[in-house]
Amino acid sequence: DQQVKQNSPSLSVQEGRISILNCDYTNSMFDYFLWYKKYPAEGPTFLISISSIKDKNEDGRFTVFLNKSAKHLSLHIVPSQPGDSAVYFCAASATSGTYKYIFGTGTRLKVLA
Amino acid sequence: SQTIHQWPATLVQPVGSPLSLECTVEGTSNPNLYWYRQAAGRGLQLLFYSVGIGQISSEVPQNLSASRPQDRQFILSSKKLLLSDSGFYLCAWSVLLGVDTQYFGPGTRLTVL
Repeated sequence: DQQVKQNSPSLSVQEGRISILNCDYTNSMFDYFLWYKKYPAEGPTFLISISSIKDKNEDGRFTVFLNKSAKHLSLHIVPSQPGDSAVYFCAASATSGTYKYIFGTGTRLKVLA
Repeated sequence: SQTIHQWPATLVQPVGSPLSLECTVEGTSNPNLYWYRQAAGRGLQLLFYSVGIGQISSEVPQNLSASRPQDRQFILSSKKLLLSDSGFYLCAWSVLLGVDTQYFGPGTRLTVL
C-alpha cells in the first residue's frame, strides 16, 4: 500500500531552468509534508516542509506547493543548478497522534550543464 | 551543533551471519531515534523507533531487532541475516516524535551474499 507516490523515477532539466518534482498521497489524514534530498551513499538532508494550513512555502530557490483537494504536492527548484542533481524524496505524516513519516520512492533529478 | 554518526559505512556479510549496526547522536539529549531501510528501487521504510533508553517500537516484523542502551546510542541487530536484508540502512533523530524534521546519518550499505 503505497500511500505516498512519486510517479516519476527520474527527471532531466537544463541548468538555469525550473525543476518540478511531484508527489501524490492517498491518505487524507496527512497534514505535514517534507522534502529531502539525497546524494549517493549519503543520508537524506532536509530541504523544506509544508503544513496543510498553507498551500505554499518558499526557501530560497526551493518552493513547495500543496494542493490538498488533489492530494498533491510539488517541489519547484528555480533556477536549477548541477549541484541539485540528486534523488528527492517526499514524506508525509499525520499530526493527529502518529509518529512516523511515509516516504515516497524518490525521483532522481539530473541537472544538465 | 548536533551530529549523527553511523558505522560501518559499508558491510558485506554472508547469509546466516549476525549483524550489528551502530548509530550515535551528539549535541542533543533525549532524542527520538529511528532506523530506516532503503531497498533498491524503494522508498525509505521505517523499521524501528525509540523515544528513550530501552524503549523500542517495531514497525515491520522481520528478523531484525533494535536496542537503545544509552540515550544517544541506537543499535540495529540480527542473529541471522537473510538475502532480503540487503539495503541501505539509515539512522535518524528528531526532537519531537511525529511532526518534526528528522535528521539522517550517512547510512550503512549492507550487502548480504
